[in-house]
Amino acid sequence: GDSVTQMEGPVTLSEEAFLTINCTYTATGYPSLFWYVQYPGEGLQLLLKATKADDKGSNKGFEATYRKETTSFHLEKGSVQVSDSAVYFCALNSGGSNYKLTFGKGTLLTVNP
Amino acid sequence: NAGVTQTPKFQVLKTGQSMTLQCAQDMNHNSMYWYRQDPGMGLRLIYYSASEGTTDKGEVPNGYNVSRLNKREFSLRLESAAPSQTSVYFCASSDRLVLIEQFFGPGTRLTVL
Repeated sequence: GDSVTQMEGPVTLSEEAFLTINCTYTATGYPSLFWYVQYPGEGLQLLLKATKADDKGSNKGFEATYRKETTSFHLEKGSVQVSDSAVYFCALNSGGSNYKLTFGKGTLLTVNP
Repeated sequence: NAGVTQTPKFQVLKTGQSMTLQCAQDMNHNSMYWYRQDPGMGLRLIYYSASEGTTDKGEVPNGYNVSRLNKREFSLRLESAAPSQTSVYFCASSDRLVLIEQFFGPGTRLTVL
């Protein structure tokens, strides 16, 4: 079945540091890939997405590239801010008639001033 | 345009009590979902409804029932609550045509004593 593996957290960084959160997946077919973000006390929000190999999703300074050869979708940001402190979830949808998202376990990011 | 709304925000139950969590969306989406979020487990799909009039089990359906009341509303019922059902519950919706992006509500924090 489909599965998503994210790096274990928590991750603690200083403001302006470089961020990478690793995500690898196993899926049938040609999945779409997502990063969702959950700020404290809130629901999940879509951060970025990529629907085919070599696509790069980007939003709010975050980027992730869909790498089919390594089945990965790592999240990166060049300079994090305190306001980026949140839980980040990698997810996939394997498409076709399957409407379901499969989530990773989430990575807690804390950015200190 | 409120997006996805959930009621209540918080609930405390005693073991054996029943309750219904309500979810509504105003985006004219066809598909709706119920997830639970537990520490270290990410989000797990309980039930989903691909379209009005259909419901299907997800990963962890035991102890829950759902009703897709109409296109807007999708409720989750706990018939006899157990401490293992203490969790944060999220409702989500997606447009079938797009298939790929889910929009989440703010969540219901449920404690079963």
